[in-house]
Amino acid sequence: NAGVTQTPKFQVLKTGQSMTLQCAQDMNHEYMSWYRQDPGMGLRLIHYSVGAGITDQGEVPNGYNVSRSTTEDFPLRLLSAAPSQTSVYFCASSSAGRLDMNTEAFFGQGTRLTVV
Amino acid sequence: AQSVTQLDSQVPVFEEAPVELRCNYSSSVSVYLFWYVQYPNQGLQLLLKYLSGSTLVKGINGFEAEFNKSQTSFHLRKPSVHISDTAEYFCAVSVMSYDKVIFGPGTSLSVIP
Repeated sequence: NAGVTQTPKFQVLKTGQSMTLQCAQDMNHEYMSWYRQDPGMGLRLIHYSVGAGITDQGEVPNGYNVSRSTTEDFPLRLLSAAPSQTSVYFCASSSAGRLDMNTEAFFGQGTRLTVV
Repeated sequence: AQSVTQLDSQVPVFEEAPVELRCNYSSSVSVYLFWYVQYPNQGLQLLLKYLSGSTLVKGINGFEAEFNKSQTSFHLRKPSVHISDTAEYFCAVSVMSYDKVIFGPGTSLSVIP
């Protein structure tokens, strides 16, 4: 049972480059989200999706784009990387929002991104 | 809007001593509450959760937490910590009829031999 899979695990980008962080889950969860983790700031929500074709902004969406064409995949795109986007990125999925379901969030192992 | 406060950024404690990690939240509606643990260089995993019912919730690895609605708190406790409990601990809140999960800033627990 793979759970939530993130790729790559590590990435170094130059300022201005673009890239896509991949996230896939095999639990048929409707809800997926992206967080960034920075020292002393915990996890901050970037974007989230409540189902295929539906996305919305979180706390820190600027500089990031997402799409949700399938239930399984929720890629995060950096169009023009900046040093301020150096962080550890976590993807999560859950069935949150439904009162009769377990609302535990399952996390990927993270992507450590450095922008130089 | 919901928010989560973890007042203690770092908590050092000696092995076999008890520990309490504090969590307070603000919300105008009912919430679900969670504690997650992150071991070094790993993702987050669920320790315990409060959805409804008994306010004392028991989780994995001997941890428990008590939901106090009047004080809007969800403090995490363990009566005797082990070296392996050294990790970052995150409190999180999810609004019952909404889909965002908001995390606190985290508390770094260091267990001293």
